[in-house]
Amino acid sequence: NAGVTQTPKFRVLKTGQSMTLLCAQDMNHEYMYWYRQDPGMGLRLIHYSVGEGTTAKGEVPDGYNVSRLKKQNFLLGLESAAPSQTSVYFCASRTYEQYFGPGTRLTVT
Amino acid sequence: ELKVEQNPLFLSMQEGKNYTIYCNYSTTSDRLYWYRQDPGKSLESLFVLLSNGAVKQEGRLMASLDTKARLSTLHITAAVHDLSATYFCAVDIYSGGGADGLTFGKGTHLIIQP
Repeated sequence: NAGVTQTPKFRVLKTGQSMTLLCAQDMNHEYMYWYRQDPGMGLRLIHYSVGEGTTAKGEVPDGYNVSRLKKQNFLLGLESAAPSQTSVYFCASRTYEQYFGPGTRLTVT
Repeated sequence: ELKVEQNPLFLSMQEGKNYTIYCNYSTTSDRLYWYRQDPGKSLESLFVLLSNGAVKQEGRLMASLDTKARLSTLHITAAVHDLSATYFCAVDIYSGGGADGLTFGKGTHLIIQP
């Protein structure tokens, strides 16, 4: 039982490049979330999903897209990366509490 | 819009001392969470508080929730160096549907010195 895993762990992008972050959970949870964490800040919700095939916007959705084609996977896409998207990204899934993945550290130069 | 405020944001204390971290939130919610984060690591769940008056304790940490006052506290008793970390409180966001995610405080960076 791996819990919540994220791929990749680290990535450096140039401005304008695109990439997809993968989150996978093996706990059969319906709810999944993407957050970003910037220095001196708590986590902020980007997008979330309440089930396979559904997604919704969180507090800071601009510049990101998501997809939930399979229940166990939640993808976060950056179509044209910007330096403001340099951050640590956490995925989570939940029952009554949230279980967080290890994070992806993304730098956009 | 739900706002969550923690104070203090930075705390340096000596081993053996007691202290309390406060978490205020702006709208009605009956679910509050405390997390610990070590540098470069993910979030570790400490407490889940699900109702008014809930009190939970684990080792030297005790958390409580007062939903009427919209206040939670995390109390540290006889602090030890291993408790040095950043502590976050978070509150569930509801929009009439299910659980729409968490709103986090900015975190309390705790340093415990020998």
